[in-house]
Amino acid sequence: DAGVIQSPRHEVTEMGQEVTLRCKPISGHNSLFWYRQTMMRGLELLIYFNNNVPIDDSGMPEDRFSAKMPNASFSTLKIQPSEPRDSAVYFCASRLLGEKLFFGSGTQLSVL
Amino acid sequence: QQQVKQSPQSLIVQKGGISIINCAYENTAFDYFPWYQQFPGKGPALLIAIRPDVSEKKEGRFTISFNKSAKQFSLHIMDSQPGDSATYFCAASSNSGYALNFGKGTSLLVTP
Repeated sequence: DAGVIQSPRHEVTEMGQEVTLRCKPISGHNSLFWYRQTMMRGLELLIYFNNNVPIDDSGMPEDRFSAKMPNASFSTLKIQPSEPRDSAVYFCASRLLGEKLFFGSGTQLSVL
Repeated sequence: QQQVKQSPQSLIVQKGGISIINCAYENTAFDYFPWYQQFPGKGPALLIAIRPDVSEKKEGRFTISFNKSAKQFSLHIMDSQPGDSATYFCAASSNSGYALNFGKGTSLLVTP
């Protein structure tokens, strides 16, 4: 299995632009998580889905952030408009039943 | 609000020494306590995990010690090696269906 696949690996954009991050979870996994990592705040949970349904989006910082999971094999995290303080590494993770999370390699986002 | 507090933020240990990282939590509903290891440019990966029905779990050179009454748990790395240099995150969750709450991480450097 290729593991959790995220794209792009790096994204550099200008303030105000729309940014879309993509994630393909491990086949068969039924839960998907989006985390954001910064030096100041560590790993923060943004949102997670069970069986494609959003369960908890209380970690989404503002209305500028939105996430979708149209099917079991794809999810997106969108930031519109982006701001410099959104610069971080964004991780997608998936799991089947139980607790072990499998993380992707992340998307390094820089908003100038 | 950080639900899991981790210390120290960084740690330098000589090869062969013992690395100790500590975490504390408040939510008594937490019943699953994993440690994740992250190398630069990669996503975190599960290292070892414990449930509160035992006070210690050992896997190779890695040991989790758990103190339920104090609501604390720690990771001990025996005979630390340069290849152990990474960022370590503790985490906690309640019930396997819920998302993990991560500590802010500890950057470990093991010197030759």
